[in-house]
Amino acid sequence: SQKIEQNSEALNIQEGKTATLTCNYTNYSPAYLQWYRQDPGRGPVFLLLIRENEKEKRKERLKVTFDTTLKQSLFHITASQPADSATYLCALAPGSARQLTFGSGTQLTVLP
Amino acid sequence: DAGVTQSPTHLIKTRGQHVTLRCSPISGHKSVSWYQQVLGQGPQFIFQYYEKEERGRGNFPDRFSARQFPNYSSELNVNALLLGDSALYLCASSIQPGQTNEKLFFGSGTQLSVL
Repeated sequence: SQKIEQNSEALNIQEGKTATLTCNYTNYSPAYLQWYRQDPGRGPVFLLLIRENEKEKRKERLKVTFDTTLKQSLFHITASQPADSATYLCALAPGSARQLTFGSGTQLTVLP
Repeated sequence: DAGVTQSPTHLIKTRGQHVTLRCSPISGHKSVSWYQQVLGQGPQFIFQYYEKEERGRGNFPDRFSARQFPNYSSELNVNALLLGDSALYLCASSIQPGQTNEKLFFGSGTQLSVL
């Protein structure tokens, strides 16, 4: 069956360190993968999109990698800040699908 | 520009009742998707509409239905509510579904509690 797994439900790191979140998937052949941020009581907010033919994408302190052989995406936040504390969701869409499928998310807490 | 707006923000219903949730997409967006998010889980796809036609349906019972209006706003209806329908219901809009660079813009959701 198709499955999207994000590493550990919660991740605590010290301010200034790099946070690394993992998204693994099985039985999908996604055309692209997206990362969203969600704060409590709010809807997810789009952060980055990476296509199957791209290895890495950067945006300010954010970096996403996409390894279609390992079926894995890594999401990095460098120089993390307490304001980065949130739940981060990965989502993917197979090439023919019309909807995004989301993982369960990783709750990141950056400690001051 | 206004983002995706959803109403109401909170709703309390009892089992067996019916509920209607409303969504207005971002101006210029013609596609609306509905997601259900249970506490501690990621959003789960319910429906997608584009140009007033259903373009996708998730694994939800027939008690769930939706429609899209000529102004691209949308309603999600849930009949015969069950306790398990308690969740955050999210609406998301996009310009056009199925594009390789499609990204979703979410509203803040409607928190539905079924007692």
